Amino acid sequence: GNSVTQMEGPVTLSEEAFLTINCTYTATGYPSLFWYVQYPGEGLQLLLKATKADDKGSNKGFEATYRKETTSFHLEKGSVQVSDSAVYFCALSELTGTASKLTFGTGTRLQVTL
Amino acid sequence: DGGITQSPKYLFRKEGQNVTLSCEQNLNHDAMYWYRQDPGQGLRLIYYSQIVNDFQKGDIAEGYSVSREKKESFPLTVTSAQKNPTAFYLCASSWGLAIKGNEQFFGPGTRLTVL
Repeated sequence: GNSVTQMEGPVTLSEEAFLTINCTYTATGYPSLFWYVQYPGEGLQLLLKATKADDKGSNKGFEATYRKETTSFHLEKGSVQVSDSAVYFCALSELTGTASKLTFGTGTRLQVTL
Repeated sequence: DGGITQSPKYLFRKEGQNVTLSCEQNLNHDAMYWYRQDPGQGLRLIYYSQIVNDFQKGDIAEGYSVSREKKESFPLTVTSAQKNPTAFYLCASSWGLAIKGNEQFFGPGTRLTVL
């Protein structure tokens, strides 16, 4: 079956540091890949996505590139802010009829300090 | 304001009682989903529904039941058969389209505590 593996957290960085959160996946087909962010006590928000190999998703300074050869979708940001502190989830989706089933990684908590 | 609402935000129940969690969306989405989130784990799919009056089991459906009588509503019942019901429950919805990258939109969640 499908699975997603993320680096364990917490990741603690100083403001303006470079961020990388690793994500690798196992899938039988050609899934779409997503990064979602969860702020404390809230639901998930879509951060970015990519639907095919070599696609780059980007949003709010975050980027991730769909690498089929390494089955990876690492999240990066050049300069983090305190407001980026949250839990980040990597996910893949497989189509099931007209629904889109998501398989999530375990999440990586990011803490950014001044 | 379009979105997904879940109520209540916090819910407490005694062991052995069934409890129903509400999920309503006004995004006109056909597909809806229920996930469970436990500390240190990712989200796991409980049930999903592609269309009104139809739903399928996800990866951890045992001890849960759902209904989909209206497009905008997808309530989840946590029954007494669920061995470890204390968790954070998230509802989501998406367009009913068989296309890649069809994203899901999430509600704010309900934290259920069984005493």
